Amino acid sequence: GIQVEQSPPDLILQEGANSTLRCNFSDSVNNLQWFHQNPWGQLINLFYIPSGTKQNGRLSATTVATERYSLLYISSSQTTDSGVYFCAVELNAGGTSYGKLTFGQGTILTVHP
Amino acid sequence: NAGVMQNPRHLVRRRGQEARLRCSPMKGHSHVYWYRQLPEEGLKFMVYLQKENIIDESGMPKERFSAEFPKEGPSILRIQQVVRGDSAAYFCASSRSSGNTIYFGEGSWLTVV
Repeated sequence: GIQVEQSPPDLILQEGANSTLRCNFSDSVNNLQWFHQNPWGQLINLFYIPSGTKQNGRLSATTVATERYSLLYISSSQTTDSGVYFCAVELNAGGTSYGKLTFGQGTILTVHP
Repeated sequence: NAGVMQNPRHLVRRRGQEARLRCSPMKGHSHVYWYRQLPEEGLKFMVYLQKENIIDESGMPKERFSAEFPKEGPSILRIQQVVRGDSAAYFCASSRSSGNTIYFGEGSWLTVV
């Protein structure tokens, strides 16, 4: 099956710092989403970004589908950004896409005040 | 995403009992997915359903687990004769149609004692 690798596995920042999280995937994809799982376990959808660039406030993401990677940028980090960031992809099997996501192992982000 | 409603949020069962987890998708969504998150791991796909139909259950254990999405009412994930290894967070997700953003509920945490 498709492989999804995220880096770094852990990241510790001071409040206000910027960071870049990376997601590499092994095959062509129909769907790529970034999620934030907060310390209470809630899974929040950040971006649906199978290709291109999107921005939402302090967060932005870029997916280069031809090179099989995606980047999540967090600027001016805050303590509330702490949690686990997951990248999830759906393999492009050449047929109908239906949302069978494969998750990476996540990046654990800790932002200190 | 608060639009996908799961209950209960926390469930404790003794070994051998049954666990039933419920999921109401976002309004207007007809595609439902169940994922499982074991401790310290990413989410793993279990099953994909549309109304009254199981489309893909390739991630579901062959025994003791079943899922349904009836014409009326929520989707149900049922685990019979639970064992300690079933302790996990079970996330439900929904989408409007294939190829669209998938939104996750807040999860149901099952603890088997």
